[in-house]
Amino acid sequence: DVKVTQSSRYLVKRTGEKVFLECVQDMDHENMFWYRQDPGLGLRLIYFSYDVKMKEKGDIPEGYSVSREKKERFSLILESASTNQTSMYLCATQGRAVEQYFGPGTRLTVT
Amino acid sequence: DAKTTQPTSMDCAEGRAANLPCNHSTISGNEYVYWYRQIHSQGPQYIIHGLKNNETNEMASLIITEDRKSSTLILPHATLRDTAVYYCIVRVRSGGSNYKLTFGKGTLLTVNP
Repeated sequence: DVKVTQSSRYLVKRTGEKVFLECVQDMDHENMFWYRQDPGLGLRLIYFSYDVKMKEKGDIPEGYSVSREKKERFSLILESASTNQTSMYLCATQGRAVEQYFGPGTRLTVT
Repeated sequence: DAKTTQPTSMDCAEGRAANLPCNHSTISGNEYVYWYRQIHSQGPQYIIHGLKNNETNEMASLIITEDRKSSTLILPHATLRDTAVYYCIVRVRSGGSNYKLTFGKGTLLTVNP
C-alpha cells in the first residue's frame, strides 16, 4: 500500500510566521503535489514536483514555495502566513500512472 | 478533461448496494473514468478507474456504458464507513506534464443504519 504522511494533522500559526508543511511518501513515486481544499472551491493545486529539485507552479502558487531535496520528501513553505491561507492542505503522490494517492491532510489555521 | 455531472447527494441503507451515477457525455476516446472518495476530514482516496470495460476491485465495481457517456460506481454492500463524497473524474491516463486532477463537487453518499 502507498503510504503518504504529513507532518501535522492540525496546526495553528500567527500571521506573519513562516510555516513548513512536510510530506513524506514511501513508494518511490516521482511526482508529488500540494493542494489546498476550501469549502465551495474544491481542491486547488498549489505546486507540484516531478523530480528531485524540480518544481512547477500550479494554479495558486502565490504566497507559497516548495522544496524537494530528496525523492520521498516534499515540503510546502508559507513564507509569511496570512489569514487567507487558513485551509486544509493535502499532499499527494503519483507514480507512472495517473492515480494519485493522498495524505491525511493538515488543517492549518492562521490567526 | 471532459466535464462530469453527478447528483449532489444520495442515501443508501446499510448492507444494500450503493449505485452512484456519473454523466460524461463529452468524453473522448483516450480518456479514462476515475473515481475517488473523500471521507470527512481525510484526504481523497483512489477507488477505481476504467476505459471501456467494466472493472471490479476489492472496493467497488465500475460499469461504463457502451457509448462511454456515463458510468456507475457500485459499492456492493455499503457500510456506515462508506459515507463520503464520491468524485467522478475523466481524463487521459498518461499525463505528460499535465498531472492536475480536477475534482468537482462530487456526490455526498450517506449510508444510513
